[in-house]
Amino acid sequence: DAGVTQSPTHLIKTRGQHVTLRCSPISGHKSVSWYQQVLGQGPQFIFQYYEKEERGRGNFPDRFSARQFPNYSSELNVNALLLGDSALYLCASSLGWEKTQYFGPGTRLLVL
Amino acid sequence: AQTVTQSQPEMSVQEAETVTLSCTYDTSESDYYLFWYKQPPSRQMILVIRQEAYKQQNATENRFSVNFQKAAKSFSLKISDSQLGDAAMYFCAYRSAVSGTASKLTFGTGTRLQVTL
Repeated sequence: DAGVTQSPTHLIKTRGQHVTLRCSPISGHKSVSWYQQVLGQGPQFIFQYYEKEERGRGNFPDRFSARQFPNYSSELNVNALLLGDSALYLCASSLGWEKTQYFGPGTRLLVL
Repeated sequence: AQTVTQSQPEMSVQEAETVTLSCTYDTSESDYYLFWYKQPPSRQMILVIRQEAYKQQNATENRFSVNFQKAAKSFSLKISDSQLGDAAMYFCAYRSAVSGTASKLTFGTGTRLQVTL
């Protein structure tokens, strides 16, 4: 079975631009969570979605938004990019919102 | 808010030897889950082992086992018979089991494990 997939794998943007990152969960998983991992640190929670509803949001500005589609895939959007948004963005899926999370390979975003 | 602390930025172990990675956490909750994830240079975060706080028995997964001390809020990972493929960044993570809250993982800063011949 395919694991969690994310696209693109790498992305380079300039300050002020907008970016959309995509995630497809493991088949049968209905919950998707997003994390930001800055170099040298542990991942930080951004959002969790379950059955297309937002279940939780971390301490991130409103420039960050997300949504989940009827097929349970998800998008993370970041507006007005800042240099500090450069990070590895990880998506994790789980059967239910309270179940164990399995991670995708991540999208490496570089903001110049 | 819950916090997770990994006090060993780097550890080294010889192949076939045993190594223990430390993790402590702070929480006022009584029901929660603890995890160890492995992140090799390929970046993919891989689940190594999971522990439910209500279970007194320590979890084991093949060569990986934990020492869970609930009163001390300690959750260490022991890797036996270390292999070159175990070289990676290891993250300890906490997740609340309180219903009605987001099921977010709170991670430590990680321990980089080197495996030498």
